[in-house]
Amino acid sequence: EADIYQTPRYLVIGTGKKITLECSQTMGHDKMYWYQQDPGMELHLIHYSYGVNSTEKGDLSSESTVSRIRTEHFPLTLESARPSHTSQYLCASSVAAAGNTIYFGEGSWLTVV
Amino acid sequence: AQSVAQPEDQVNVAEGNPLTVKCTYSVSGNPYLFWYVQYPNRGLQFLLKYITGDNLVKGSYGFEAEFNKSQTSFHLKKPSALVSDSALYFCAVSDMEYGNKLVFGAGTILRVKS
Repeated sequence: EADIYQTPRYLVIGTGKKITLECSQTMGHDKMYWYQQDPGMELHLIHYSYGVNSTEKGDLSSESTVSRIRTEHFPLTLESARPSHTSQYLCASSVAAAGNTIYFGEGSWLTVV
Repeated sequence: AQSVAQPEDQVNVAEGNPLTVKCTYSVSGNPYLFWYVQYPNRGLQFLLKYITGDNLVKGSYGFEAEFNKSQTSFHLKKPSALVSDSALYFCAVSDMEYGNKLVFGAGTILRVKS
């Protein structure tokens, strides 16, 4: 089992609220990722990081932002949540080199009402 | 560009029978191929991967997958299905050009009936 933790697991918030989804890993992995997944659908990469102070946008455009101040921590923030942000957000991490296994957290289910 | 196709939305199999979940891919370089499983309201669990070497890869829970370069396929297999194998299965691909980011297929629901 991978040691990657996401909080909260489930969250219901009102439109316009600011929300931060937390993600931490204890494996010392350099690379971290955020994927977005609608229920039972494919995953889309929205953000990734190669290391501290490195963040990149993924293949799917997202209004969320991320930061990487510490190796183990990669939070995702929505400044003003909308119903269209309702989805599952999956955090993941891996060793840097291509071909290494990416390990996922349990996910954060966000519902914006 | 990298892409993955999982041609079956759902696969149904009887318990004890062999199962196959299909995956084909497209990459510009040598592929790195992965299978993950997702249970309801959970994250993705890693099953197995192919990087190089033997075309038959063995993974967790009795699953295996065969890499076929000429057919650009990486089908997931298990000799004898269990009801507890029922879940959503994702195939994913990367390559050196894309770095260690994965492109996922749309997923295949596996239903094993007793």
